[in-house]
Amino acid sequence: AQSVTQPDIHITVSEGASLELRCNYSYGATPYLFWYVQSPGQGLQLLLKYFSGDTLVQGIKGFEAEFKRSQSSFNLRKPSVHWSDAAEYFCAVGDQTGANNLFFGTGTRLTVIP
Amino acid sequence: SQTIHQWPATLVQPVGSPLSLECTVEGTSNPNLYWYRQAAGRGLQLLFYSVGIGQISSEVPQNLSASRPQDRQFILSSKKLLLSDSGFYLCAWSGLTDTQYFGPGTRLTVL
Repeated sequence: AQSVTQPDIHITVSEGASLELRCNYSYGATPYLFWYVQSPGQGLQLLLKYFSGDTLVQGIKGFEAEFKRSQSSFNLRKPSVHWSDAAEYFCAVGDQTGANNLFFGTGTRLTVIP
Repeated sequence: SQTIHQWPATLVQPVGSPLSLECTVEGTSNPNLYWYRQAAGRGLQLLFYSVGIGQISSEVPQNLSASRPQDRQFILSSKKLLLSDSGFYLCAWSGLTDTQYFGPGTRLTVL
């Protein structure tokens, strides 16, 4: 069965510091992988996605993620965090059926210290 | 371009009252539609999804139901709300690209 693990519930970083949010997945085939961001009281915004090809994926707002099949991971990175990046981040794996269902991790809350 | 709307944005309802949340999508045809619930401090739980008009699949048994009366309209309902129904309800759509796009959400508080 598909599942996603985000081992860090809460991360605090200083503004300007680098960021890495961890995501591990369980899926029987080559996965479709996604990162979403959610600001308080808002819906989810797609940051980036991986379907196939280059394992390093660029997204919006300066984020990138790297798919590592050997580690079943899809970690999200940003070289320099801005205060506006404070939010909840969700990793998800798609089941690639006709319904395109997504299985989400429990999220990582990012706090940015000035 | 495609847009997704949800209303109301916030709702406070007493226990035992009915519920109707609406989601509509513009700019696309025959989308897959989804209802999620996000409880405080928790991840997203898929409640229902629909691949076409009148086609509803339920992921979690509960006192909620969903309907899709039109191609781009998805409704979440309940006949009698429970305290445990409180949460943030998100609607999403997907097309041929296997990517889901989310609406702004509805904050439901059951008192």
